Amino acid sequence: EAGVAQSPRYKIIEKRQSVAFWCNPISGHATLYWYQQILGQGPKLLIQFQNNGVVDDSQLPKDRFSAERLKGVDSTLKIQPAKLEDSAVYLCASSLDFWDRGTKYGYTFGSGTRLTVV
Amino acid sequence: DAKTTQPPSMDCAEGRAANLPCNHSTISGNEYVYWYRQIHSQGPQYIIHGLKNNETNEMASLIITEDRKSSTLILPHATLRDTAVYYCIVRPPTGNQFYFGTGTSLTVIP
Repeated sequence: EAGVAQSPRYKIIEKRQSVAFWCNPISGHATLYWYQQILGQGPKLLIQFQNNGVVDDSQLPKDRFSAERLKGVDSTLKIQPAKLEDSAVYLCASSLDFWDRGTKYGYTFGSGTRLTVV
Repeated sequence: DAKTTQPPSMDCAEGRAANLPCNHSTISGNEYVYWYRQIHSQGPQYIIHGLKNNETNEMASLIITEDRKSSTLILPHATLRDTAVYYCIVRPPTGNQFYFGTGTSLTVIP
């Protein structure tokens, strides 16, 4: 089965510019997640979607970050305006459903987008 | 959410067993223990998970203590490709999120 697709793979922008990341989850996966991973740290959950609805965005800095999943399939994460501290890898993950508990695959992650803000 | 504690780094000789410990002393009775690993420049990859019993698959074995307060991930014959950061995660009973700590950086030495 195809994995979680993310693009672009790398992005370099200047501070105060805007940037968008795209994620296409595994076909049929209802739940989609965006994580931020700062160098040397574990991934931190930013937002979780169930189909096209937001389940949890409590850790999303809403003054500058936004995310959507309009048709319940692919998703975009946007940062506007970017700050130096936003430099990180942005990971997208998907799972079959909200209560995908105890199954073998849990989450499947994409390879991420590495953002550098200069 | 139950917290996990892992050593920040470990070394293992190629071909030997790698034993990665994890403490999760506040785990609840219905919370699973998951292990993921992240190879450089890739997203985290599922390894194994368990609730109470020991588990084994083609990648690794998971040993959970009887009181469930700690667990050990065992890579039976480590190879250079097993060099990665290994995350031990306790999955909360409600919701579907994974909360990652800083993990253990395993280096397999030739």
